[in-house]
Amino acid sequence: GESVGLHLPTLSVQEGDNSIINCAYSNSASDYFIWYKQESGKGPQFIIDIRSNMDKRQGQRVTVLLNKTVKHLSLQIAATQPGDSAVYFCAERRSYNTDKLIFGTGTRLQVFP
Amino acid sequence: DVKVTQSSRYLVKRTGEKVFLECVQDMDHENMFWYRQDPGLGLRLIYFSYDVKMKEKGDIPEGYSVSREKKERFSLILESASTNQTSMYLCASRLMSTEAFFGQGTRLTVV
Repeated sequence: GESVGLHLPTLSVQEGDNSIINCAYSNSASDYFIWYKQESGKGPQFIIDIRSNMDKRQGQRVTVLLNKTVKHLSLQIAATQPGDSAVYFCAERRSYNTDKLIFGTGTRLQVFP
Repeated sequence: DVKVTQSSRYLVKRTGEKVFLECVQDMDHENMFWYRQDPGLGLRLIYFSYDVKMKEKGDIPEGYSVSREKKERFSLILESASTNQTSMYLCASRLMSTEAFFGQGTRLTVV
């Protein structure tokens, strides 16, 4: 069946390095994608989103890249900090009509000094 | 700021009990969602609602029902709780075509 998945369950990076978290999706009709960050004991928090008519979007220290050809989404975090340690989820909206978000399984980012 | 409030952070219920999880949002969002979160499985959609009294099944609706009598409130009901429904439950709300805002979650344990 169709799914949103992640390539790596855990990513360890050194403080100050750049982090790249990847996400694969299989539904070519998906038109909207979101990255969320979830810290321990909290609900997911919005980081950045991108629509399918774009291939790149930048925020503060974060960049999302969308490659529709290979159905791949990535989140880049510049100068990773200890406060970035969390689980990161990508989510896709599979069609405008339903407007429901389907989430991937998550990647845990660990930042070490 | 958008606020999504779930009525309980932690609940312990017995097998067979009827359980109500309540969620309230204060931003007049049309869409509200219930997800459950389990290790290694991410967030899975149980039900969502796109208007008062309107609902649609998500990917794992079995054993659950929902109620949306008012726009700001979306309730998840476990008709007869079972141990496999022990999980973290997350409520979210959003406007059409925007990001979803999540509550803090309710950790439910069924014993």
